[in-house]
Amino acid sequence: ILNVEQSPQSLHVQEGDSTNFTCSFPSSNFYALHWYRWETAKSPEALFVMTLNGDEKKKGRISATLNTKEGYSYLYIKGSQPEDSATYLCAPVSSGNTGKLIFGQGTTLQVKP
Amino acid sequence: EAGVAQSPRYKIIEKRQSVAFWCNPISGHATLYWYQQILGQGPKLLIQFQNNGVVDDSQLPKDRFSAERLKGVDSTLKIQPAKLEDSAVYLCASQGAWGANVLTFGAGSRLTVL
Repeated sequence: ILNVEQSPQSLHVQEGDSTNFTCSFPSSNFYALHWYRWETAKSPEALFVMTLNGDEKKKGRISATLNTKEGYSYLYIKGSQPEDSATYLCAPVSSGNTGKLIFGQGTTLQVKP
Repeated sequence: EAGVAQSPRYKIIEKRQSVAFWCNPISGHATLYWYQQILGQGPKLLIQFQNNGVVDDSQLPKDRFSAERLKGVDSTLKIQPAKLEDSAVYLCASQGAWGANVLTFGAGSRLTVL
């Protein structure tokens, strides 16, 4: 079973603040890293899938970086808005297995207006 | 394209009763997952199907949980008998291809066991 750690567990910021979270995972047998956003009362939705070391992806005010050699990914939110309030989940995929996604415990972000 | 359909959305049962959840994935998606999400934790993989075959069920409590995916389309997850610790959201997700393709999740089925 993959050991996936996300930090911090929860975060409270003011509207307009920029913030970032960390996802740590085993660097061996790396294949891909997924990020999802899960808003209350909705389905988790995909943000990014990253596969290459040094990869950087961006979607509006949200961006993510990937370091496969040391086994971590950062998710950044620039100028947080109340609608960014959600739980952010990461899930690495290992090569040589079933392709299953093993999720971390998530980082819950609360943005206060 | 239609999303992943799940039902029921909410279910309240007494312990030792049984419950079944249904999932209809996106058309053409070969891979289907069931996850259990307990409050304060990340989603835990229960079972992974590829078409109608089980690929991984290593974390499925097989003494009380069962799942099937007949004809490689719809899937049903059953709990019998339920325990208090089974209270959770049960998420179904489908995936078009292995590994790097995103998962599309259903809205989830929230189970409360009293």
